Amino acid sequence: EVQLLESGGGLVQPGGSLRLSCAASGFTFSNYAMSWVRQTPGKGLEWVSGFSGSDADAYYADSVKGRFTISRDNSKNTLYLQMNSLRAGDTAVYYCAKGAITGAYHFDYWGQGTLVTVSS
Amino acid sequence: SYVLTQPPSVSVAPGQTASVTCGGNNIGTKSVHWYQQKPGQAPVLVVYHDSDRPSGIPERFSGSNSGNTATLTISRVGAGDEADYYCQVWDSSSAHVVFGGGTKLTVL
Repeated sequence: EVQLLESGGGLVQPGGSLRLSCAASGFTFSNYAMSWVRQTPGKGLEWVSGFSGSDADAYYADSVKGRFTISRDNSKNTLYLQMNSLRAGDTAVYYCAKGAITGAYHFDYWGQGTLVTVSS
Repeated sequence: SYVLTQPPSVSVAPGQTASVTCGGNNIGTKSVHWYQQKPGQAPVLVVYHDSDRPSGIPERFSGSNSGNTATLTISRVGAGDEADYYCQVWDSSSAHVVFGGGTKLTVL
């Protein structure tokens, strides 16, 4: 059974940093594209960043480029999101999402999300 | 950047057919995916590549895509289909995943 478990969310002050983790199990992690998607409470989905494959280039939404860094450790089956220079507008639930076998850029499994709150 | 436009809400009577649209410039040339999200839950993929269904998704869910509009169609709607529905594409020109703003489906 595919499982994605996010961790690392919490309350952080504006300008601060946070690192999110997504522990994956139930599939060969290294073979799949992975992304981070966020959702402001009560609002829609916003793609944040992703890999198109195991060792592919990383892509970023314009809103986070230069502040966030995505990485993965295939030996630990874990996806990361390093978030720096955080702003109030980054407050959201952050989901880890697995690229489908039918295409890297749609997502067949999602974690339950971790809440990041940026506030003083 | 590429923009996907969805109606904020759609209402339908039980047993009827609901259509949720997703507008975008020449969206018919892109592959469109649809997600269902119920309150407090993560999104679930219900249609991919315009009209394919993942295993476990009922045949009541179908999709189409042509011109400037993609459509998710849900037939024989029941209370369990009440949810937010999001369309999504990959915009190769910007190398971005793009989501529509979401449509809240209400079963009357």
